[in-house]
Amino acid sequence: QKEVEQNSGPLSVPEGAIASLNCTYSDRGSQSFFWYRQYSGKSPELIMSIYSNGDKEDGRFTAQLNKASQYVSLLIRDSQPSDSATYLCAALRPNFGNEKLTFGTGTRLTIIP
Amino acid sequence: DGGITQSPKYLFRKEGQNVTLSCEQNLNHDAMYWYRQDPGQGLRLIYYSQIVNDFQKGDIAEGYSVSREKKESFPLTVTSAQKNPTAFYLCASSGHRTAGDLTYEQYFGPGTRLTVT
Repeated sequence: QKEVEQNSGPLSVPEGAIASLNCTYSDRGSQSFFWYRQYSGKSPELIMSIYSNGDKEDGRFTAQLNKASQYVSLLIRDSQPSDSATYLCAALRPNFGNEKLTFGTGTRLTIIP
Repeated sequence: DGGITQSPKYLFRKEGQNVTLSCEQNLNHDAMYWYRQDPGQGLRLIYYSQIVNDFQKGDIAEGYSVSREKKESFPLTVTSAQKNPTAFYLCASSGHRTAGDLTYEQYFGPGTRLTVT
């Protein structure tokens, strides 16, 4: 079982709709979670971080965390063609002095005009 | 203008040659990381360093070497022992955290695309 799992997609969503990206993790010691956006041929860009259960909103993006279910999601409202990218989920287990992120393999999102 | 720089953007080498990829950051971050990404795949950790003059192997360290002589710099050498070196190489960095601090942010450089023939 992979430590961080994502549906590879592709996920196709009409422009203006809500895109929902999901991620599950197996390490219950993970405390911090991140969403990165990666355009084709480019490096990952951090778009959201979430540290406590519940929702965190930033513009059109909402991250949701449920530690009991070991589930993280990213909602993108009013999807735009520019949101078409691969979205990487990552988890961090606190280990001060020896920290590293565990990444999922990413979900490819395509917004259809 | 703060950030992480990687050079070169594209690199071509013949099989059997060692090659060094540069990574520099001016974010005053303590930790630096090297990842490899193959087409259609996720990120795999090669090496990471939490402090100057110290580094740890990641999941796929064989055939690679690093040094951390300065806080700002973390070069990666791809040696001839690496069986499949052609890939997209990403350098990242993150700041210092203290116990009890859950916040953490890891940022990536623009990457170096290495092709070995």
